Amino acid sequence: TQLLEQSPQFLSIQEGENLTVYCNSSSVFSSLQWYRQEPGEGPVLLVTVVTGGEVKKLKRLTFQFGDARKDSSLHITAAQPGDTGLYLCAGAGSGGYNKLIFGAGTRLAVHP
Amino acid sequence: DAGVIQSPRHEVTEMGQEVTLRCKPISGHDYLFWYRQTMMRGLELLIYFNNNVPIDDSGMPEDRFSAKMPNASFSTLKIQPSEPRDSAVYFCASSPQGARRETQYFGPGTRLLVL
Repeated sequence: TQLLEQSPQFLSIQEGENLTVYCNSSSVFSSLQWYRQEPGEGPVLLVTVVTGGEVKKLKRLTFQFGDARKDSSLHITAAQPGDTGLYLCAGAGSGGYNKLIFGAGTRLAVHP
Repeated sequence: DAGVIQSPRHEVTEMGQEVTLRCKPISGHDYLFWYRQTMMRGLELLIYFNNNVPIDDSGMPEDRFSAKMPNASFSTLKIQPSEPRDSAVYFCASSPQGARRETQYFGPGTRLLVL
């Protein structure tokens, strides 16, 4: 069974601080996605990483896929209150269409 | 595009009652997913369809749960009879065929409370 473990589960920081969220597995994924979910809404895709070692940047957010495609990290620089939400990683298997396996999420609160 | 549409947004019912959740996927998307989200278990895939055909229902908790997709623009998830432990937020998501097939677009969810 493929599992994705996210850490930390909860993170409470002040505006302007940097943070890193981790997503780890013992399984290899063909791709990995990061979603952000705000209260009362569904998850919204932030990025998809496909190649081992790949780094993608989205403004103040930097996403990295591990070389072995088993893990990923999300780094936020100078966090803002608007970054508050639940961050979910999701992995896709290889070959054909495969369902996504979601991690439990990291709940981030950024205080002004 | 209106995105994935779910109804109702909130549902409060009593144990033993039938509950029907509805979903309209994004037009042109070939895949439709039903998820359940709770604090304890996170986001769990219940079932998914491809071109209106159920592909994997291994996540459906038990026989009280059933899902249908009679056409490309409509799906239902039914719980009968409902139990308090079914209380959760239920999400529907859709996904297009092709190179970006793994990108899923989620609806706003239905928050279900079974008393």
